[in-house]
Amino acid sequence: DTAVSQTPKYLVTQMGNDKSIKCEQNLGHDTMYWYKQDSKKFLKIMFSYNNKELIINETVPNRFSPKSPDKAHLNLHINSLELGDSAVYFCASSLSGSSDTQYFGPGTRLTVL
Amino acid sequence: AQRVTQPEKLLSVFKGAPVELKCNYSYSGSPELFWYVQYSRQRLQLLLRHISRESIKGFTADLNKGETSFHLKKPFAQEEDSAMYYCALSGSTDKLIFGTGTRLQVFP
Repeated sequence: DTAVSQTPKYLVTQMGNDKSIKCEQNLGHDTMYWYKQDSKKFLKIMFSYNNKELIINETVPNRFSPKSPDKAHLNLHINSLELGDSAVYFCASSLSGSSDTQYFGPGTRLTVL
Repeated sequence: AQRVTQPEKLLSVFKGAPVELKCNYSYSGSPELFWYVQYSRQRLQLLLRHISRESIKGFTADLNKGETSFHLKKPFAQEEDSAMYYCALSGSTDKLIFGTGTRLQVFP
């Protein structure tokens, strides 16, 4: 009964490849997020979607493209991966907006070689 | 600009000692403030939020608008409190802004 799930948990790939990370929530929440946690454990928002509509795009390179087929899913596609993309990516959801409690996925550790 | 500052990267204490993890924020309006915790190999989860004014796992945090602080406190630390703690602010931009986090190590 995992509330927010992400796949895959680990992703190791070569520079220049394209990869996707999937996220699903079964909490009935309207808002979903993607965060990036770097090697220093700094956590920064990348995107948020409310009911399939993009709300926040936080100065993320165009190589990153979120897609929300429905409000329970928010996937992240990354083109032309670079070394600096190596990080842990967290998906999260909340009932409505950012003032509501956010529920996080387990994270996807992306390593770009 | 909205900002959250956690000045300590690492805080080490012995079991039974009091703990205070500092958090200062910058925001001109009325903030919503949170503490999130990440235990080893677990996902990030909410510890507490200022509007609920409750104590979770012995932790409390009081919003001090005069000092723009939301420090997290516990009178007697336990080994299982060892984790990464993030202070976060929700302001006018509809996004959660996290501090850089403080790693708490509680030694036996």
